[in-house]
Amino acid sequence: EAGVVQSPRYKIIEKKQPVAFWCNPISGHNTLYWYLQNLGQGPELLIRYENEEAVDDSQLPKDRFSAERLKGVDSTLKIQPAELGDSAVYLCASSSGQGARETQYFGPGTRLLVL
Amino acid sequence: GENVEQHPSTLSVQEGDSAVIKCTYSDSASNYFPWYKQELGKRPQLIIDIRSNVGEKKDQRIAVTLNKTAKHFSLHITETQPEDSAVYFCAAVVGAGSYQLTFGKGTKLSVIP
Repeated sequence: EAGVVQSPRYKIIEKKQPVAFWCNPISGHNTLYWYLQNLGQGPELLIRYENEEAVDDSQLPKDRFSAERLKGVDSTLKIQPAELGDSAVYLCASSSGQGARETQYFGPGTRLLVL
Repeated sequence: GENVEQHPSTLSVQEGDSAVIKCTYSDSASNYFPWYKQELGKRPQLIIDIRSNVGEKKDQRIAVTLNKTAKHFSLHITETQPEDSAVYFCAAVVGAGSYQLTFGKGTKLSVIP
């Protein structure tokens, strides 16, 4: 079974530039999560999708962050404009059932460095 | 919201010894507690989880215990090996209905050969 795929793996941009991350969840997983992981910290949820619907985006900084999952499969997370403090690892995860009681499988993450 | 505290932040053990990592949570409605292992530069991987209707679960050298009354759960690794060296994260579901996993800050485990 293929795992969660993310791209790019690394991204270096200058501040104020836009950036986008892509995630392909495990086939058949209808729940998709985007997490932010700062160095030395645990992942923090940004947004959760059930199919194409964003059911929990309370932690997403909506002034500069946006996400979409148009067909209920792949998802993109965008930052515009990026700030120095956005440097972190952005993790995507998926699970097969509704709710966090089902196991979440993580992708390898995108490591973002904003200069 | 939920708050998960994890201790210690770093842990060094000799190969073959046991390692114990402890977590406490604040929301008494939390009912699912996974543990993830993250090697440097790699994805977090689930190693074991426990649900609130169970007090203990074991998988080979790894075990997790849950005390719902005290709102704490622990990861136990026996006969540690160098490949157990990684950062371990505990997590808890934020109450019933919200489905949000809240993670602890992690424990960096070093197993010394």
